[in-house]
Amino acid sequence: DSGVTQTPKHLITATGQRVTLRCSPRSGDLSVYWYQQSLDQGLQFLIQYYNGEERAKGNILERFSAQQFPDLHSELNLSSLELGDSALYFCASSVVGQGAGVGYTFGSGTRLTVV
Amino acid sequence: GENVGLHLPTLSVQEGDNSIINCAYSNSASDYFIWYKQESGKGPQFIIDIRSNMDKRQGQRVTVLLNKTVKHLSLQIAATQPGDSAVYFCADQNYGGSQGNLIFGKGTKLSVKP
Repeated sequence: DSGVTQTPKHLITATGQRVTLRCSPRSGDLSVYWYQQSLDQGLQFLIQYYNGEERAKGNILERFSAQQFPDLHSELNLSSLELGDSALYFCASSVVGQGAGVGYTFGSGTRLTVV
Repeated sequence: GENVGLHLPTLSVQEGDNSIINCAYSNSASDYFIWYKQESGKGPQFIIDIRSNMDKRQGQRVTVLLNKTVKHLSLQIAATQPGDSAVYFCADQNYGGSQGNLIFGKGTKLSVKP
């Protein structure tokens, strides 16, 4: 157990729908990162939050959004889902918001299937 | 944009042999590099890291080599075991930058034959 908890583990939904993925960071970690892993794109950085504030954005679609709550858990919202959004979504956490270094820990991911 | 890629998508080795997995990066500002192991159904797991002021770093059965001149790093696994079978990713980061996100390569699948 890495200490980073992601729920749900699996999610199947229809095109056009909206889903919310949840991440609880490792105790003491202030920063949360979201990554998408698809077969043809590998692991792609989506967005980072540090202590409740957005810190960096990567290749995140406008249909996707995220937030980090006062208790430091984070949610990734995916809307108007398309077949191509099917992927593994990973959350990682670290103590600091920059130069994360070795203290970067990944959760086990949420497998999203859009049908 | 930044691009971190792997030379070989698959690697098959005999149990007990040494494995070498290669990776190229393109961002000259990257100063921190990490190798991750990902087993089926799990998230990436940290293996070893190296900073740009080093050429080599050793861990338990693993060694990472960094060649900044040609922007290349490699992961060497000694006496490869069946439990080493997984997908291996390199990732780079601008450690001194304002962001902590990692840029990943596409991964190399390592298969260990008994």
